[in-house]
Formats: sequence, C-alpha cells, structure tokens
Amino acid sequence: AQKVTQAQTEISVVEKEDVTLDCVYETRDTTYYLFWYKQPPSGELVFLIRRNSFDEQNEISGRYSWNFQKSTSSFNFTITASQVVDSAVYFCALSENLPGTYKYIFGTGTRLKVLA
Amino acid sequence: DAGVTQSPTHLIKTRGQQVTLRCSPKSGHDTVSWYQQALGQGPQFIFQYYEEEERQRGNFPDRFSGHQFPNYSSELNVNALLLGDSALYLCASSLEDREMGTGELFFGEGSRLTVL
Repeated sequence: AQKVTQAQTEISVVEKEDVTLDCVYETRDTTYYLFWYKQPPSGELVFLIRRNSFDEQNEISGRYSWNFQKSTSSFNFTITASQVVDSAVYFCALSENLPGTYKYIFGTGTRLKVLA
Repeated sequence: DAGVTQSPTHLIKTRGQQVTLRCSPKSGHDTVSWYQQALGQGPQFIFQYYEEEERQRGNFPDRFSGHQFPNYSSELNVNALLLGDSALYLCASSLEDREMGTGELFFGEGSRLTVL
C-alpha cells in the first residue's frame, strides 16, 4: 500500500538555524514521483519540488535542499539559515505512475515555526 | 497569469444541507482535482476530472459528486452534509502529462466549509 509518513508534527527553531523535515514513503511501484509543498496560513499549497524515482541526485535551490534516498525510502527537506517567512506547514506527497492513477498521497504535514 | 481560484472562500451550512464549491483552473490547465483537508491533516484525494469525465475517485461516498465544464472549470457538490464534512476543500489544476499522468498540481486557497 502507498503511504507517506511525516513523523515530525511540529518543529520550532530560532531564525538562522538549519532545519530538516523528514519524509518516509511506501510504494510498490518502481516509477513514482515525490513532492514537497508549503502551506502558509492562507491555505494554498505552494509547490516546492518534484523528484522522480529514477533521479536520486540531491537538489539545492537557494536555502532549500532535498535529499532523496531510495535505499531508505526517504525524501528529506532541509532549510538552511531559516527565516520567519519559512513558518508554514510543509507536506510531502507521493504520486505513483500506474495506469489510472492520478492522485497524490500526502503526509500529515510538519508545522515549522521559525522564531525571531 | 491567474492562478487557481476557488469560491466561496468560507461558508457555513447545517447538517443535511447541500453545498456547491467552484473552481477555475490555472490558465492553460485542463485537469482539475479536488482534495479534502481536515484540520491538522494532509489533503485527501476526492476525485479528478479530465475532459469533463471523472477519471479517478478516492475513498469518498457518493454524496460527493463533481462536474467539469468545457472551459475546464469545475464544481464539487456535497449532499446531505454531515458534521464530519467540515474541512478545507482544495482544488488543484494541472496539465495532462504523458510521462507521469498527472502533472504538477497547482492549488487554490481553498473553500473552508463548516457544518453545524
């Protein structure tokens, strides 16, 4: 069965600290896609990154970086030098590449609070 | 370039009533998905519409129905409302992707439904 687990319910850090948000997934599919979304208080989920199962290269985008490890079924997200504006709920999601399958499976989210 | 727009943003209904939520996709997108997000949870897939047809449905009862119009906009209808239907209803649009089935989802800010 497919599943996404975000074990960290809430994390609080002080501004400029680095923080890593964990994501562990389960799937029997060999081709799948992983995503991270940010949900600010406005409610809209903002797309951050998509990674396919064949691309295990880590990615860096400004202060954001992602570590994808198929061996441990993890897709962790690190924010370097956190800022107050990073405060939000972050969701990891999985999409399987199976015929007739179009849904995303989301984790329960991690609420990040960055304190000034 | 307008993103995904949803209406209404907030509404209050009583048990047994019916509700219709509306969504206009991002310009150029042809696929609309609906998700339900209960408080403190991740979004749960309700269904997806493509070419005016429902092509995948999540684990939701028949009280939840939808429609997609020729201009790609969509409606979500919920009949016989229950207290447990109180949630944020998110619409997401995407462009059909031959490689991954569902392209990246772009979300609206949601319609927050309260059932009393």
